[in-house]
Amino acid sequence: GDSVTQMEGPVTLSEEAFLTINCTYTATGYPSLFWYVQYPGEGLQLLLKATKADDKGSNKGFEATYRKETTSFHLEKGSVQVSDSAVYFCALSDTGANNLFFGTGTRLTVIP
Amino acid sequence: EADIYQTPRYLVIGTGKKITLECSQTMGHDKMYWYQQDPGMELHLIHYSYGVNSTEKGDLSSESTVSRIRTEHFPLTLESARPSHTSQYLCASRAPGGRYEQYFGPGTRLTVT
Repeated sequence: GDSVTQMEGPVTLSEEAFLTINCTYTATGYPSLFWYVQYPGEGLQLLLKATKADDKGSNKGFEATYRKETTSFHLEKGSVQVSDSAVYFCALSDTGANNLFFGTGTRLTVIP
Repeated sequence: EADIYQTPRYLVIGTGKKITLECSQTMGHDKMYWYQQDPGMELHLIHYSYGVNSTEKGDLSSESTVSRIRTEHFPLTLESARPSHTSQYLCASRAPGGRYEQYFGPGTRLTVT
């Protein structure tokens, strides 16, 4: 079945550090992949997505590349800010599926 | 991007009370979802709907019920609240066709005392 394995946290970084949050997936078809972000006290917001192999999703300085050969969709940002402190969720939706499979979430704290 | 609303944002209620959490979206999305988010952040799908008069239970067993009488409205009801229902409840919707992303409301944080 479909599943997402996400790097466990919490992750604490200093401002301007490089961020990587690992995400690997298992899917039977050709999934679309997503990263969502949840700021304190809020719902989830779609951060970026990729719908086919080798696609790169990007938004607000964050990037993730859909790697079919390694079944991965790692989230990266070159220089984090305090305002990036949030919980990040990796998710997938398989071909023709109506639901999303979420990872367990990674809490990021960025300290000044 | 979808506009999706949840009310109330915060609710503190006593054991045994009946409550309804409201969720509405204005984009005409056919698919709607309810998730329960535990303190460890993990999301659990508790109900979903693929259209009017269609409702299904999700992966996590829940004592709540839902209805979908109108496309834009997907309320969740607890007939008798218990402390174990204390959680964050998130509503989401998804557009028809080949776009798979879901759009989330701001959530309702429920505390049952």
